[in-house]
Amino acid sequence: DQQVKQNSPSLSVQEGRISILNCDYTNSMFDYFLWYKKYPAEGPTFLISISSIKDKNEDGRFTVFLNKSAKHLSLHIVPSQPGDSAVYFCAASASLRGAQKLVFGQGTRLTINP
Amino acid sequence: DGGITQSPKYLFRKEGQNVTLSCEQNLNHDAMYWYRQDPGQGLRLIYYSQIVNDFQKGDIAEGYSVSREKKESFPLTVTSAQKNPTAFYLCASSPSGTGRYEQYFGPGTRLTVT
Repeated sequence: DQQVKQNSPSLSVQEGRISILNCDYTNSMFDYFLWYKKYPAEGPTFLISISSIKDKNEDGRFTVFLNKSAKHLSLHIVPSQPGDSAVYFCAASASLRGAQKLVFGQGTRLTINP
Repeated sequence: DGGITQSPKYLFRKEGQNVTLSCEQNLNHDAMYWYRQDPGQGLRLIYYSQIVNDFQKGDIAEGYSVSREKKESFPLTVTSAQKNPTAFYLCASSPSGTGRYEQYFGPGTRLTVT
């Protein structure tokens, strides 16, 4: 049962334009959502997050939007830069015996074309 | 520099052999985690530990074992019972306390079993 889904395995965007990555989840108990960026053969690096009590969080070129009624979140990158080319994972957090368990989507490979 | 180290980066083993992957952190984080990543899939939780001398099974613990004798170290043993051990293994840590959801990842170890 895939609780967090990224339905687009890949996305190609022109440099300077907006990149929009999408993520859907099924579990209403998730209380925090995160986006990670990953280069090949490296560990994921944390990008931006949002609490379930908010609908938007912005950090520089990155904005995450949360639509709780639709159980949908998205990451907007604007303007897109070549260095943004990577695999992006969304993750949802739920408490698990006092620890925060992250459930990851399958990832979306973003390619920024010059 | 604070961070998480995993060694080695690449590891090759023959089928039927146990192998131990190292994970060390100097971030003074209480919680540590092990994930595996397979092609086209998100990260899946193997084991996690919130405190020294305590650890819990994640979603895919079968064929794996861990120990947490020191706060800084959380080694993962891939046993011969693991049916499909070839994968990219990621270690992560996170601080404890409310509102601390981000997990910080090491560079990963790619294990190939033939």
